[in-house]
Amino acid sequence: AAGVIQSPRHLIKEKRETATLKCYPIPRHDTVYWYQQGPGQDPQFLISFYEKMQSDKGSIPDRFSAQQFSDYHSELNMSSLELGDSALYFCASSSSTREQYFGPGTRLTVL
Amino acid sequence: AQTVTQSQPEMSVQEAETVTLSCTYDTSESDYYLFWYKQPPSRQMILVIRQEAYKQQNATENRFSVNFQKAAKSFSLKISDSQLGDAAMYFCAYRSGETSGSRLTFGEGTQLTVNP
Repeated sequence: AAGVIQSPRHLIKEKRETATLKCYPIPRHDTVYWYQQGPGQDPQFLISFYEKMQSDKGSIPDRFSAQQFSDYHSELNMSSLELGDSALYFCASSSSTREQYFGPGTRLTVL
Repeated sequence: AQTVTQSQPEMSVQEAETVTLSCTYDTSESDYYLFWYKQPPSRQMILVIRQEAYKQQNATENRFSVNFQKAAKSFSLKISDSQLGDAAMYFCAYRSGETSGSRLTFGEGTQLTVNP
C-alpha cells in the first residue's frame, strides 16, 4: 500500500538559512498534518490542512509557513533557521477525520 | 486543552509474556478518538490501534488490545505474547472528533524493552 512520502529525508542547513520540506499524502487523503519531534520528546503538532485550507494551528513559529497545493501535497517552509529547529519533522495524512498515517520524517540539522 | 499522560517512562517484558502500558487523558469533549502509536529505533511512527470514544467495546488488533475506561479517562494498551520486534517507544494520542484536520496530542511516551 502507498504510504506518505517526505522529501528530503535528511537536510543540513546553516543558521539563518531557509529550508523547504515536502510531503506527498497517501492517495485520496484530503488532510495533511505537520509535527516536530525534538530529541527524546513526543511529536508536537505544528499545522494541518483540510482540502487545501488551514484546519488547525499549533505552536508553529512565525518563521515557518506551510500550504497545501491543488494536488494535496504540502510544503513546510522554514526561514531564519535556528539551532533549536534541529528536529525530526513528520508529515501525516488522513482521510477527513480518520486516523493519521505518518511519513518517515525529515531529519533537519541546523549548524 | 486536552492533555495526555503516560506515567511509565520505561517498561520491560520477557519475550512471550504480556505487558500493559498505561495512559490517562483529560478532556471535556464527548466526541474523540484515542490511539496508540509505536516508534521503533527507525523513528517511523506506526499506528498500532485506534479507539472511538462512542464505542464501548475495546479495540483489538491481533496481539494488541486496549482497556478503554471512559469514565476514568483511562486508555491502556496490552501486548500479548511479546516479541522482540515490539521493542519501541509507545505513544498514546488523543484527537478531537469534532472537525477534520484536528491535531493529535501525544503523551510523553513509554519505552518498552523486550528481553529474550
